[in-house]
Amino acid sequence: QKEVEQNSGPLSVPEGAIASLNCTYSDRGSQSFFWYRQYSGKSPELIMFIYSNGDKEDGRFTAQLNKASQYVSLLIRDSQPSDSATYLCALWRSGGSNYKLTFGKGTLLTVNP
Amino acid sequence: IAGITQAPTSQILAAGRRMTLRCTQDMRHNAMYWYRQDLGLGLRLIHYSNTAGTTGKGEVPDGYSVSRANTDDFPLTLASAVPSQTSVYFCASSPTPGTGELFFGEGSRLTVL
Repeated sequence: QKEVEQNSGPLSVPEGAIASLNCTYSDRGSQSFFWYRQYSGKSPELIMFIYSNGDKEDGRFTAQLNKASQYVSLLIRDSQPSDSATYLCALWRSGGSNYKLTFGKGTLLTVNP
Repeated sequence: IAGITQAPTSQILAAGRRMTLRCTQDMRHNAMYWYRQDLGLGLRLIHYSNTAGTTGKGEVPDGYSVSRANTDDFPLTLASAVPSQTSVYFCASSPTPGTGELFFGEGSRLTVL
């Protein structure tokens, strides 16, 4: 199993719907989880992070983490065309003085007006 | 505007030539990173620096070198460019090392012919 797996998409949802983006991972030692948004031709920008099991909400975005099942998801409520982008999942773990941040390949989301 | 500045934005380079990609940040972040992003492969860490004066190898360091003479600057050098180094290169920073909360520059698109 790859370290971080995301469905490459494209995931297409109508405007106003809930978009659900999923990420599974193989390293049970992963400690922190991040969602980055990357518009076409632009650089990634951090939109959410989550450390603990459960849900974390920030405006229209909700990150969900289930460490037992090794998945993290991002829900976008009331999706807007401006949410159309590639969403990257990233996992962080530390080991003594070393740490590792691993990115998934991303899921392309298209929100249709 | 505070942030990360990369230069050049885009460059076409003949194989065998030496090239330095520049990265400067004005956020006084301790840690800096160089990633490359390729279609189907996602973001991969080339080199990193936890603080001025120190550097480390990432996932794909071969063919690249970095230096960190001061807090603000983190140049990436390709000593003898090869076509497989055609990619989009992102410089990133974080306030402290060992975090997944990265701030990215706008990227440098490099084509090696």
